[in-house]
Amino acid sequence: EADIYQTPRYLVIGTGKKITLECSQTMGHDKMYWYQQDPGMELHLIHYSYGVNSTEKGDLSSESTVSRIRTEHFPLTLESARPSHTSQYLCASSDRKQNTGELFFGEGSRLTVL
Amino acid sequence: KNQVEQSPQSLIILEGKNCTLQCNYTVSPFSNLRWYKQDTGRGPVSLTIMTFSENTKSNGRYTATLDADTKQSSLHITASQLSDSASYICVVTDRGSTLGRLYFGRGTQLTVWP
Repeated sequence: EADIYQTPRYLVIGTGKKITLECSQTMGHDKMYWYQQDPGMELHLIHYSYGVNSTEKGDLSSESTVSRIRTEHFPLTLESARPSHTSQYLCASSDRKQNTGELFFGEGSRLTVL
Repeated sequence: KNQVEQSPQSLIILEGKNCTLQCNYTVSPFSNLRWYKQDTGRGPVSLTIMTFSENTKSNGRYTATLDADTKQSSLHITASQLSDSASYICVVTDRGSTLGRLYFGRGTQLTVWP
């Protein structure tokens, strides 16, 4: 069982609100990722980090931002949520020393913006 | 263009029956291919990994095959159980860069009926 946790699991908010999705892992993994998943579609990488103070944007353009101040923590923030941000957000981590690149996922945060 | 195509998009089978899910990819150069299982409302969990030199690998009732020449993989589920109801996602990693980019399929939604 993977030790990676996301909160909140479900969030319903109004347009214009600021939200932060939390992600923490206790496996000591250097690499962490945020994916966006919509029904019937492939996962899209929106942010990733290869270590403390390292963050990069992924393939999918996103208005969100991330930070990596501690190895175990990788929060995602939306300054002003819009209905187009409604989606499932999955956090994942992997071990840099493992060449096969297995991803360990959290259980996801389902965001609904009204 | 998605470089990982999965079929069928959805599948319904009766408990106890076998089924086979397909994954075709165009990712090159190829590093490895993983099958993930994603239960409803949960994050994906790795079932098995196939590297270039492997043709078949089993994990309990799950058997994965890989044909690197035709760039096809299959996941065979034997004696299906209700708990097999989930989305099965094929993920291919390239080795064309140090980052090991991941390419996700859209998944096959499997429903097992009693």
